[in-house]
Order: sequence, then C-alpha cells, then structure tokens
Amino acid sequence: DVKVTQSSRYLVKRTGEKVFLECVQDMDHENMFWYRQDPGLGLRLIYFSYDVKMKEKGDIPEGYSVSREKKERFSLILESASTNQTSMYLCASSFIGNQPQHFGDGTRLSIL
Amino acid sequence: AQSVSQHNHHVILSEAASLELGCNYSYGGTVNLFWYVQYPGQHLQLLLKYFSGDPLVKGIKGFEAEFIKSKFSFNLRKPSVQWSDTAEYFCAVKTSYDKVIFGPGTSLSVIP
Repeated sequence: DVKVTQSSRYLVKRTGEKVFLECVQDMDHENMFWYRQDPGLGLRLIYFSYDVKMKEKGDIPEGYSVSREKKERFSLILESASTNQTSMYLCASSFIGNQPQHFGDGTRLSIL
Repeated sequence: AQSVSQHNHHVILSEAASLELGCNYSYGGTVNLFWYVQYPGQHLQLLLKYFSGDPLVKGIKGFEAEFIKSKFSFNLRKPSVQWSDTAEYFCAVKTSYDKVIFGPGTSLSVIP
C-alpha cells in the first residue's frame, strides 16, 4: 500500500520564523505535490515536482519554496512565516501520466 | 488559466436520496479527471477516475461519474446515499503536463 508520510500532524510557529514541512513517499513516484487546503477554497497547488531537483510553481507559490534532493522526499519551506499561511498543508505523490495521486494525512500549521 | 468549479458548496440529503454533484473545468487540452473524497479526520482518497474510453466510469462505494466533453463537465452521481457518505468531495483535473488542479470541494451531509 502506498504510504505518503508528512513529518508533523500539528505545528505551531511564530511570525517571521523559517518553517520546514517534510513529506516522504515509499512508492518510487516521480511526481510530488504540495497543496494548502482552506475552507471554501478547496486544495490550492503551491508547488509540484516531476523529478529530483525539478520543480514547477503552482497557483499560489508566493512566500513558499521547495526542495527535492531525493526522489522520495519533497520539502516545503516557508521562508518567513506569516499569519496568512496558517492552513492545512497536504502532500501528494503519483506516477507520471494517467495515474491518481496519493495523499498524506496533512499538517495543520498555525502561525502566531 | 486552468480552473475547476464545483456547483454546490454544501449539500444536505436524507438517506436513500439520489446524489449528483456538479464539476466543470476550463482547459482546452487533454485531461484526466478524478473525484476524491475526504471523510472526517481522514486523508483524501480516490473515488474514481477517467482517462479515456467509456465516458461513464464507475468507482468505489456505488459512485459513478459521467464525462461530457462538450460541456467540460464530470458530474458525480450515486443513486442512493448512506449516512456513511457524509464527507467532502473534490473534483480534480490533471493536465497534459501532470499539473493537478482541484475544485473548491462540496461538503455532503447525509441525515439518517
């Protein structure tokens, strides 16, 4: 069974801090994605990656960066956290082409 | 820009009622279409997917969806809902270069 693991379920940080969210998948998927989920807005794509060291901006990349040094790991970085980045963050992975995504359990991040 | 819309934000039904959730997308190229479900406190799971062929696709738990290319629609249906179908439902579109965009979601509440 595919396993997408996010490092924390809940995280509380302060404004201005640099925040790292980690995601690891165990199915050798090429694609990895970071979304944020907010009520009434659904899932909005922040960044995705289709290979090691490759990344593409999603719809809302401002204030975020990503790192994919190894195939199984995709990190989301909040360079200087702000209160409007308080949200649920979801990581997903998939094979390339006609394949569905598999999701982690999410990290609920609060920025105070 | 590509986008996905879902017709209803919140739907309330009695058990045994029929369900139809609307989904429309805007993208001119080849798409793969998905419906995901998120039960309370759980991660997103795939309900069904369309890649090609028969535009009527069947998924898990008695759900089905119909792809109407001329209308850019992919509506989800179930003939008789159960209390356990209470969840949030997301329509998603995968574009030709593997970017996946989600709709805002529809919250379904089924009353026993």
